[in-house]
Amino acid sequence: AQSVAQPEDQVNVAEGNPLTVKCTYSVSGNPYLFWYVQYPNRGLQFLLKYITGDNLVKGSYGFEAEFNKSQTSFHLKKPSALVSDSALYFCAVRDYGNNRLAFGKGNQVVVIP
Amino acid sequence: GAGVSQSPSNKVTEKGKDVELRCDPISGHTALYWYRQSLGQGLEFLIYFQGNSAPDKSGLPSDRFSAERTGGSVSTLTIQRTQQEDSAVYLCASSLGQREQYFGPGTRLTVT
Repeated sequence: AQSVAQPEDQVNVAEGNPLTVKCTYSVSGNPYLFWYVQYPNRGLQFLLKYITGDNLVKGSYGFEAEFNKSQTSFHLKKPSALVSDSALYFCAVRDYGNNRLAFGKGNQVVVIP
Repeated sequence: GAGVSQSPSNKVTEKGKDVELRCDPISGHTALYWYRQSLGQGLEFLIYFQGNSAPDKSGLPSDRFSAERTGGSVSTLTIQRTQQEDSAVYLCASSLGQREQYFGPGTRLTVT
């Protein structure tokens, strides 16, 4: 079965500092990995994905994520956090050939001005 | 272009009543998904449609839940005899084949 772990409940970071949101995954085959962001009372917005190719993927709003197969991780990063980045972030995974996404519990990111 | 839309945005219903939730996917997206988001359970997969057929409905929590999709477009999720534990935000998503899924704003269901 596919699963995702997001070990931290909340990530606090000062504005302008680097932001990292951690994600590890478990799948039986090759993973398809995704990050989504959710603002209050809104649906999930797609940020970026890893399917194959370069381990460092770049996405929307200056976010990037690094795929590490040996550590089964897909951490989300942003070099310089903005107050507007404060939101709930979800990591998701699916197996090749499987269409359903398995989500982590989500991480609340709080960027402090 | 237009994104995924869902209606209603909020629904309050009495325990035991039936409810219907609607999803309009992005035009041309062949795949459609329903998920449920609740505080205790996080984000859970409910059902997946490819065209009008549902090859994976394994996430539906009970036989009170059903869904259909017509014309390869609009989908309706129906919950019969609602229970308080059905209270959640119901999210719909669509995708072009197996590409990334795009989510609607959700329907917040409250069962009193």
